[in-house]
Amino acid sequence: DAKTTQPNSMESNEEEPVHLPCNHSTISGTDYIHWYRQLPSQGPEYVIHGLTSNVNNRMASLAIAEDRKSSTLILHRATLRDAAVYYCILRDLNTGNQFYFGTGTSLTVIP
Amino acid sequence: DVKVTQSSRYLVKRTGEKVFLECVQDMDHENMFWYRQDPGLGLRLIYFSYDVKMKEKGDIPEGYSVSREKKERFSLILESASTNQTSMYLCASSFTPGQGPDGNQPQHFGDGTRLSIL
Repeated sequence: DAKTTQPNSMESNEEEPVHLPCNHSTISGTDYIHWYRQLPSQGPEYVIHGLTSNVNNRMASLAIAEDRKSSTLILHRATLRDAAVYYCILRDLNTGNQFYFGTGTSLTVIP
Repeated sequence: DVKVTQSSRYLVKRTGEKVFLECVQDMDHENMFWYRQDPGLGLRLIYFSYDVKMKEKGDIPEGYSVSREKKERFSLILESASTNQTSMYLCASSFTPGQGPDGNQPQHFGDGTRLSIL
């Protein structure tokens, strides 16, 4: 299964944009790119997902490289509540019920 | 909003006990999953189920079994608990609009059960 690579940790100032990168150089044509986040003492929470085109929702934006070998989760204005571990995951269209979580990026938001 | 409820947030059991972890979802989802989460290892899939009475092994099924007698409920069973099964256990569910698995559907997680085996 295709794997993802993320930085272990990142910091951002409150109310500034945050760009969380993810590399997935072995992505296949049927892999969706999903992002989840996990706040302390909670289960993972779905953030956004996409296949080829950039995606926006109320939580974030997802920018997908043209070759799909990398993507970036964009939080437009970081708040203290955005401090969490962010996971980038590939899910195959046809076998997509299996999630492969790595260790994610721990985001610290500085007041 | 989808609600996935795990029966206990914290549980302490003894080695050799049979342990039941319960999960209920309220959105009529076909698919349900059990993961464990350990520091430095991320989430690892134990078992999942596409439908009532259906189950599939994940990456680490040894020492565990599951039961899905009703669509909304998925139980994880530790047949004989051991200390290396001390972990955070997470249940999730997802919708399948058609037949079979679908990577285009998000998974919805419960808040987890922190299980300690003494």
